[in-house]
Amino acid sequence: EVQLVESGGGLVKPGGSLRLSCAASGFTFSNAWMNWVRQAPGKGLEWVGRIKSKPAGGTIDYAAPVKGRFTLSRDDSKNTVYLQMNSLKTEDAAVYYCSTGGGVVGFDYWGQGTLVTVSS
Amino acid sequence: SYELTQPPSVSVSPGQTARITCSGDALPNQYGYWYQQKPGQAPMLVIYKNTERPSGIPERFSGSSSGTTVTLTISGVQAEDEADYYCQSTDSSGTYPVFGGGTKLTVL
Repeated sequence: EVQLVESGGGLVKPGGSLRLSCAASGFTFSNAWMNWVRQAPGKGLEWVGRIKSKPAGGTIDYAAPVKGRFTLSRDDSKNTVYLQMNSLKTEDAAVYYCSTGGGVVGFDYWGQGTLVTVSS
Repeated sequence: SYELTQPPSVSVSPGQTARITCSGDALPNQYGYWYQQKPGQAPMLVIYKNTERPSGIPERFSGSSSGTTVTLTISGVQAEDEADYYCQSTDSSGTYPVFGGGTKLTVL
C-alpha cells in the first residue's frame, strides 16, 4: 500500500524558515517523481515544485511564486523528499501535500498534508 | 501565466448526470487530469490522460476532450460524489503543472 506521510509543518513568523519532510513507502521511491502541492485555507490547489527521479535526470522545477525561496531535495536511501522553505511570506500559509507523479499519470498518490501557518 | 478555467459550482439531483468543464489554451496539446477532494481530505485522482480511469474509480466517472476543453462527466450522480473537483494540466512547454480553480459539485 502506498503511503506518504508529511511532517514539519507549524507556525512560523514572516521571513522565517521551515523544512517539510515526506516519508514514502509501498512503492519504489527511487523511481518516483515527487511533488509538493499546497492549498491555502478555503482556496484551490497550487503546484509548488517537483523533483524527478535520478533515472529521469533528477531535474527540479519550481512554481514562480516560490522559486528562489524554496528548495526541494530527496534522499532515496531514506525514501524521503524534503521541502526547505525560506523567506516565508503570509501568502505561503497553506496545507502542503506531498504527491507522487505529475507526469503523464498525473498526481496519483497524495499524503494527508501538513499545515504551515505564517503569522507574526 | 497559464490558467485553466472551471465553473465555480455545478448542481445536480441524485441519479442525474453532472458535467464539469475545464478550458485552457494548451489543452489541445496537453493531457487533462481530474481530482476529487472531499472536505478535510487530500485530493484523489479520478481521471488521467483525458479519458483514463485509475483502478478503483467507479465507472460512472468519465473524461473527454475536445479542442481547448476537457470535461469530467459523472453519470448517475450519488450523494457521495458531492465534493470539489479540480482539473489539472501543464503549460504549453509541458513542464509546469497547473490546476484549475475548482468546481464545487452539489448533489441536491
